[in-house]
Amino acid sequence: SQTIHQWPATLVQPVGSPLSLECTVEGTSNPNLYWYRQAAGRGLQLLFYSIGIDQISSEVPQNLSASRPQDRQFILSSKKLLLSDSGFYLCAWSLTRNTGELFFGEGSRLTVL
Amino acid sequence: GENVEQHPSTLSVQEGDSAVIKCTYSDSASNYFPWYKQELGKRPQLIIDIRSNVGEKKDQRIAVTLNKTAKHFSLHITETQPEDSAVYFCAASIRGSQGNLIFGKGTKLSVKP
Repeated sequence: SQTIHQWPATLVQPVGSPLSLECTVEGTSNPNLYWYRQAAGRGLQLLFYSIGIDQISSEVPQNLSASRPQDRQFILSSKKLLLSDSGFYLCAWSLTRNTGELFFGEGSRLTVL
Repeated sequence: GENVEQHPSTLSVQEGDSAVIKCTYSDSASNYFPWYKQELGKRPQLIIDIRSNVGEKKDQRIAVTLNKTAKHFSLHITETQPEDSAVYFCAASIRGSQGNLIFGKGTKLSVKP
């Protein structure tokens, strides 16, 4: 069966520090991968999605970047965090074709102070 | 692009009553409409979905209706129980694309015993 893991679960970082959140999927190949951010009252905002290795699309202009160095690995990064980057970050995957169902990771809560 | 509006943002019902959450979407090409449930501190999980070739779908106490002409769809929960308390998200997407979902902002449902 397929599983998705992301880490760390919680992170407290000072403004201006770097960020790296990692996500891996097991039990499937060539998945679509996604990073969402969940801020209070704003629902689930799609940040990045990837249909393959080194193929990243950004949905919103922001301080963050994403990379997919391997088929089942998706990384969310920032060189310098802003206060507004605080939130709950969710990695997700879906099958490549003809399905919209998303399977979410456990989430990473980032607090920028 | 697609835009999904969800109402109400909060909903409080008595145990045993019904709850209805409504969503509207803007892109008439959207043809896949899932609903996700997110319990406090946990990841969102799919609870039911509907495709544009049907108008209603039921799964025990949960049902979803779709009106493509009006571009709105609704989640109905009957005989609510305290464990139904959670945040519910509607979403819309065009199947056959990369599977990107556009989410509503969520409804916090509280079921009082």
